[in-house]
Amino acid sequence: NAGVTQTPKFQVLKTGQSMTLQCAQDMNHNSMYWYRQDPGMGLRLIYYSASEGTTDKGEVPNGYNVSRLNKREFSLRLESAAPSQTSVYFCASSAQTGNYGYTFGSGTRLTVV
Amino acid sequence: GDSVTQMEGPVTLSEEAFLTINCTYTATGYPSLFWYVQYPGEGLQLLLKATKADDKGSNKGFEATYRKETTSFHLEKGSVQVSDSAVYFCALRMNDYKLSFGAGTTVTVRA
Repeated sequence: NAGVTQTPKFQVLKTGQSMTLQCAQDMNHNSMYWYRQDPGMGLRLIYYSASEGTTDKGEVPNGYNVSRLNKREFSLRLESAAPSQTSVYFCASSAQTGNYGYTFGSGTRLTVV
Repeated sequence: GDSVTQMEGPVTLSEEAFLTINCTYTATGYPSLFWYVQYPGEGLQLLLKATKADDKGSNKGFEATYRKETTSFHLEKGSVQVSDSAVYFCALRMNDYKLSFGAGTTVTVRA
């Protein structure tokens, strides 16, 4: 089925470890996004990529880096994980600006101990 | 900046009850407005949207009307089912690429 695929679904890291969350979409969308979801705080934008070759910071970029590898793939990297980064991470994509909503992946539940 | 505020939950209802979740927005222009739903253990799914004032979005028995005069986009359903138990997010999008989400409202429907 067409959509947004995230891997892994679950991950436990020790403080200071690094990891990369992978995201791929097969809808030919131009824009891709990484959000984190924390209880009572809704979704907060970490980074986004308006189009292939561009990336920009969102609300909460500290401690993260991203790579827009090609039009399909947008990865999120934690260089040195901290307990404050324990969260559920969602990748999303959209066709263009304006009236279009997002298509979300099913999420990665990350725990940093 | 542009933002949405939605009613805090949790909301607990009996089956066939009427559901309203309030959402108001603050924006410098005229945003597009959305409701997303998140079922347990899943990602967010677009439930409905409205792109201009007085538009009504509808899907799966849910409705919301874009009210410019009250800057609101309240979600309603006339008769909820147990399967409607989920977290509901109001969101807005201006002319840039980014969606701004409310904090989410957890709805539990009891049989």
